[in-house]
Amino acid sequence: DAGVIQSPRHEVTEMGQEVTLRCKPISGHNSLFWYRQTMMRGLELLIYFNNNVPIDDSGMPEDRFSAKMPNASFSTLKIQPSEPRDSAVYFCASSRRRGDANQPQHFGDGTRLSIL
Amino acid sequence: DQQVKQNSPSLSVQEGRISILNCDYTNSMFDYFLWYKKYPAEGPTFLISISSIKDKNEDGRFTVFLNKSAKHLSLHIVPSQPGDSAVYFCAASASFNAGGTSYGKLTFGQGTILTVHP
Repeated sequence: DAGVIQSPRHEVTEMGQEVTLRCKPISGHNSLFWYRQTMMRGLELLIYFNNNVPIDDSGMPEDRFSAKMPNASFSTLKIQPSEPRDSAVYFCASSRRRGDANQPQHFGDGTRLSIL
Repeated sequence: DQQVKQNSPSLSVQEGRISILNCDYTNSMFDYFLWYKKYPAEGPTFLISISSIKDKNEDGRFTVFLNKSAKHLSLHIVPSQPGDSAVYFCAASASFNAGGTSYGKLTFGQGTILTVHP
């Protein structure tokens, strides 16, 4: 089975540029999660989709961040304009059944984002 | 406000010995707990979990213990192997309702770097 696929693996861009991160969840999973990992804050949930609909976006840091899930097999996380403090590793994860805790989340390998 | 805390940033253990990783939480609404393992340049992978109605769950070399009264859980790895060297994250799940449906959301600890020496 293919796991969660994220692209790109690495992204280096200049401050002010738009950044788009992509995620393909595991087929059959109907919950999708975007996380950000930093040294200071650890692994924090940004947004949670169920059946392509955002359920909880309370972790999205500010309006510069937006996420979409146009269909069950694709999601994007966009930062516009990007700032150096957005530098982090961004993970996408998916799971079955509304993110029930007994259905563990499966993570992609992450996108390492560096904003200069 | 960190609801899930792993107070030991790192742990070093000799191969064959027991590794004990600890995790404390503050939110009494957490009803499910999980441990994830993460290797460099990879995403976290699920290791083992425990429901709040249990106090122990075992899977091979891995055992998770839950002490609800102390709001504490621990992961025991016996015997430890060099391949176990990784970052271990404790995570806790709390349910929330949206549109009349219940969902689960994970809160992660900061992680503990485990190094198992041959």
